[in-house]
Amino acid sequence: KNEVEQSPQNLTAQEGEFITINCSYSVGISALHWLQQHPGGGIVSLFMLSSGKKKHGRLIATINIQEKHSSLHITASHPRDSAVYICAVKGKYGQNFVFGPGTRLSVLP
Amino acid sequence: DTGVSQDPRHKITKRGQNVTFRCDPISEHNRLYWYRQTLGQGPEFLTYFQNEAQLEKSRLLSDRFSAERPKGSFSTLEIQRTEQGDSAMYLCASSLGRPGLREDTQYFGPGTRLTVL
Repeated sequence: KNEVEQSPQNLTAQEGEFITINCSYSVGISALHWLQQHPGGGIVSLFMLSSGKKKHGRLIATINIQEKHSSLHITASHPRDSAVYICAVKGKYGQNFVFGPGTRLSVLP
Repeated sequence: DTGVSQDPRHKITKRGQNVTFRCDPISEHNRLYWYRQTLGQGPEFLTYFQNEAQLEKSRLLSDRFSAERPKGSFSTLEIQRTEQGDSAMYLCASSLGRPGLREDTQYFGPGTRLTVL
């Protein structure tokens, strides 16, 4: 079993839809990172979470430490949101991040 | 542009050659990370520096790989005697890395794509 799993693997949505991407992990963590990777490789940090919920614009990230689960929500999705969304967790000790396989999102106009 | 730069952006080399990549982090960032990403996969941690000290190395980092951050600013990653399996995107990231900072956001460079023929 992989330490970090994401679902769905691929997601196609219509513009304006509410989107949820899930991340579950099997180890104790100190923080979780949501990242966005566009075609061509550039990675942008969206959120770093250690508890609760964070909101930035149309993006919301939540984490439940007890259930070892995090969700990334996109409200009013737009074609420019099309990218791969990656969840990464940092263990309780050290700075070694373990990355999930990513969720490929396509938002159609 | 996140403020983290990497050079070169692309490198094509023949099997057996040595290659060196450079990463320039955001200037006030104490931590610097190296990752490797192969096509269709998420990044894999290779190593990280706190200032000039290399504090963690992944088992993925074989003896052919060496990383340095001599003055706590830029870093280099060298791969000796390259193999075709080394072909990947090599990503660098930096973060503030202040003591006690739990949510230490990483800022990624554009990556160096290595192709070993």
